[in-house]
Amino acid sequence: QKEVEQNSGPLSVPEGAIASLNCTYSDRGSQSFFWYRQYSGKSPELIMSIYSNGDKEDGRFTAQLNKASQYVSLLIRDSQPSDSATYLCAVNPMNYGGATNKLIFGTGTLLAVQP
Amino acid sequence: DTEVTQTPKHLVMGMTNKKSLKCEQHMGHRAMYWYKQKAKKPPELMFVYSYEKLSINESVPSRFSPECPNSSLLNLHLHALQPEDSALYLCASSQDLYTEAFFGQGTRLTVV
Repeated sequence: QKEVEQNSGPLSVPEGAIASLNCTYSDRGSQSFFWYRQYSGKSPELIMSIYSNGDKEDGRFTAQLNKASQYVSLLIRDSQPSDSATYLCAVNPMNYGGATNKLIFGTGTLLAVQP
Repeated sequence: DTEVTQTPKHLVMGMTNKKSLKCEQHMGHRAMYWYKQKAKKPPELMFVYSYEKLSINESVPSRFSPECPNSSLLNLHLHALQPEDSALYLCASSQDLYTEAFFGQGTRLTVV
């Protein structure tokens, strides 16, 4: 069964700390991985995409992918109260019948950055 | 520019009404999507269009009818909805079926 799992939180970190968000997935053939941020009542906003093993950095955000362990994470450095939101991990599983962009979302982790 | 525009932002409709949700992107993306999101749940895929052709229908009830008039526009026609269909309806687009999807602001739908 294709699943994406995240800890629902809330994950509470003090302002200026590193927030670490984790995600595991069950489909070993998955090829594309994404992190979205969603503020309450708003639509998901793409934060990071990662397609190969290793780290990918963009400003205060670093995505880490380990396909062997079926694990993807998002680190947020120097966390700010404005980072408080739900972070959704999304995985595009392999479709042996052809290409598809059928994103499978995790349930999301609620991050609360305390001033 | 990664803008996907959805209209209307809010919609209240009766169970006998017919209404349409609209989505527009001018990024040259060839894949477009409809998602449904209930409160405190992740988005759920409804439909995928690739090159203006319906690629995926996730067993959505026929009271939801998608339409892709051209590569920039995506509509979702609504008819005889139920109160449990009340949700945030999200449109998204991507360059192709492999790359990241960008979401519109969503339409908050309430069925009364």
